[in-house]
Amino acid sequence: EAQVTQNPRYLITVTGKKLTVTCSQNMNHEYMSWYRQDPGLGLRQIYYSMNVEVTDKGDVPEGYKVSRKEKRNFPLILESPSPNQTSLYFCASSVDTGLALYNEQFFGPGTRLTVL
Amino acid sequence: RKEVEQDPGPFNVPEGATVAFNCTYSNSASQSFFWYRQDCRKEPKLLMSVYSSGNEDGRFTAQLNRASQYISLLIRDSKLSDSATYLCVVSGGTNFGNEKLTFGTGTRLTIIP
Repeated sequence: EAQVTQNPRYLITVTGKKLTVTCSQNMNHEYMSWYRQDPGLGLRQIYYSMNVEVTDKGDVPEGYKVSRKEKRNFPLILESPSPNQTSLYFCASSVDTGLALYNEQFFGPGTRLTVL
Repeated sequence: RKEVEQDPGPFNVPEGATVAFNCTYSNSASQSFFWYRQDCRKEPKLLMSVYSSGNEDGRFTAQLNRASQYISLLIRDSKLSDSATYLCVVSGGTNFGNEKLTFGTGTRLTIIP
């Protein structure tokens, strides 16, 4: 089954404790992206990657890191989480035909993160 | 002004009725437009892309008005299963290619039996 998976789905942690949220897709998509969703603010892009070893900042990259060592995986790293990073996080992927934004974004099921 | 603006609703509509949402965008260079559907606590899923000439998919019709910089979604003969939040999505439009997508905050629709 074609899908985007994220782990963990739920996470409660404390301020300053490094964490990684994994994202994996099995559709051979070039383009991958991370979003956070907050009430009243909608989905905001954190980072995106157009292919292996190519990443770029989205709208709200502060406090986050990403890596793209393999095509299928795009982990999101919070080196020192803070309470304002409490949010619902979505990973997404799409085909890159050079005009990736004309293509459907496939989202993972989401990771609900709480930072105390 | 927000890059993408939607009426948050909620819209409470009786089953079988027709409902329409609008979404305005600020970047006149935007090139691609979409409507996504998001059920409560679930991931967004593509409902339909919006083309310049307008497009229809069953009970759903999407329109683009570049002059006034808005897109619309019309749902006819609404079903209980149409209850969801509808997200307007617009490309950044700064360059052709992988510019960022901007999501509206969504319009919540509830279909009432």
